[in-house]
Amino acid sequence: GENVEQHPSTLSVQEGDSAVIKCTYSDSASNYFPWYKQELGKRPQLIIDIRSNVGEKKDQRIAVTLNKTAKHFSLHITETQPEDSAVYFCAASTNAGKSTFGDGTTLTVKP
Amino acid sequence: DSGVTQTPKHLITATGQRVTLRCSPRSGDLSVYWYQQSLDQGLQFLIQYYNGEERAKGNILERFSAQQFPDLHSELNLSSLELGDSALYFCASSKGTSGASFTDTQYFGPGTRLTVL
Repeated sequence: GENVEQHPSTLSVQEGDSAVIKCTYSDSASNYFPWYKQELGKRPQLIIDIRSNVGEKKDQRIAVTLNKTAKHFSLHITETQPEDSAVYFCAASTNAGKSTFGDGTTLTVKP
Repeated sequence: DSGVTQTPKHLITATGQRVTLRCSPRSGDLSVYWYQQSLDQGLQFLIQYYNGEERAKGNILERFSAQQFPDLHSELNLSSLELGDSALYFCASSKGTSGASFTDTQYFGPGTRLTVL
């Protein structure tokens, strides 16, 4: 089955710095890669997603890149703010609908 | 608010008992997904339903079962509960296209926190 590895597990940055979280996947059939932000005790919320026919997608301070050949994708957050502090999950999904999540990255943005 | 509702919000029960968690998807969404999130852990995909039929299965225990009803709401049944079943259970829904791709954006409900004592 699909295996998604996410690194790092914890990340601490200074406000205004950039943060990068990386994920690798194993199933070449995966073609949809969403990123979720989860604050403590709350639901995961989609922040950005990318499909396998696109190499990069950007939405304001957030960007995602995908390298299908290497089977890895990354989340980039620029100009981080304290409210960006949360757990971030990557996921890889196939046409069959099965979604596999990474173990999460706890991002702390220090003011 | 994602438009996905889950009830109850909290559930406290004893080992060996059976509980039912309920999920109502967003209006128009045909797919429902169930996830388990244990303390300090990631999201474990349990099962997916599309328009009333089971579509994909993840790491769902035999003690757990789910179904999706004609009105598209879904229920997750957990039986013979153990202490280790204590977790947040999330439901998510997506449009669910009729074509080959089921890789639609998933919208998560607020979750049901299950505590087994």
